Amino acid sequence: AQSVTQLGSHVSVSEGALVLLRCNYSSSVPPYLFWYVQYPNQGLQLLLKYTSAATLVKGINGFEAEFKKSETSFHLTKPSAHMSDAAEYFCAVRFSGSARQLTFGSGTQLTVLP
Amino acid sequence: NAGVTQTPKFQVLKTGQSMTLQCAQDMNHEYMSWYRQDPGMGLRLIHYSVGAGITDQGEVPNGYNVSRSTTEDFPLRLLSAAPSQTSVYFCASSSLDSGKNIQYFGAGTRLSVL
Repeated sequence: AQSVTQLGSHVSVSEGALVLLRCNYSSSVPPYLFWYVQYPNQGLQLLLKYTSAATLVKGINGFEAEFKKSETSFHLTKPSAHMSDAAEYFCAVRFSGSARQLTFGSGTQLTVLP
Repeated sequence: NAGVTQTPKFQVLKTGQSMTLQCAQDMNHEYMSWYRQDPGMGLRLIHYSVGAGITDQGEVPNGYNVSRSTTEDFPLRLLSAAPSQTSVYFCASSSLDSGKNIQYFGAGTRLSVL
């Protein structure tokens, strides 16, 4: 079955430190990949997307992600964490053959320590 | 531009009651979908629609009905609410045009079933 795995349900970093949130998917065909962010009591906001163009994708708020086909990964990074980055982050995948259906990872709660 | 609008924002039901969660979008998107969000499980697809008069089941459709009589609206019906349906529900929409892969999410409906 096609699936999306986010390693680490909770990640804590110090302000100014590197943020690395991991996402792996199971598919032999490169899918469309997305990262969404959810702030408390809000809906989901798109951070960035990969749709078979450049493998390094830049998003909003200084985030970027690199698609690695050989590793079936799409990890999210930010060089320097800010307090306002504290939120829950979801990796989502649109697998080949689906209209627009997204399969979500279980989410990673990011805490930024002062 | 309102985007995706969900009503109500909060709802408390008793077991066995019925209700309809409303979702409307003003972007003329063909694709609309409903997800439920539960702690540690990410978002799971309940039902989706690729156009007026066309609906299909997602990963967790049991206990929910949908219909799509217009492009703009995609209501989700709970015919007999159960405590297991306590969750946060998100509606999303997207264009089906190739190259337009982004799903836009509503702010969510928080449902408690007692």
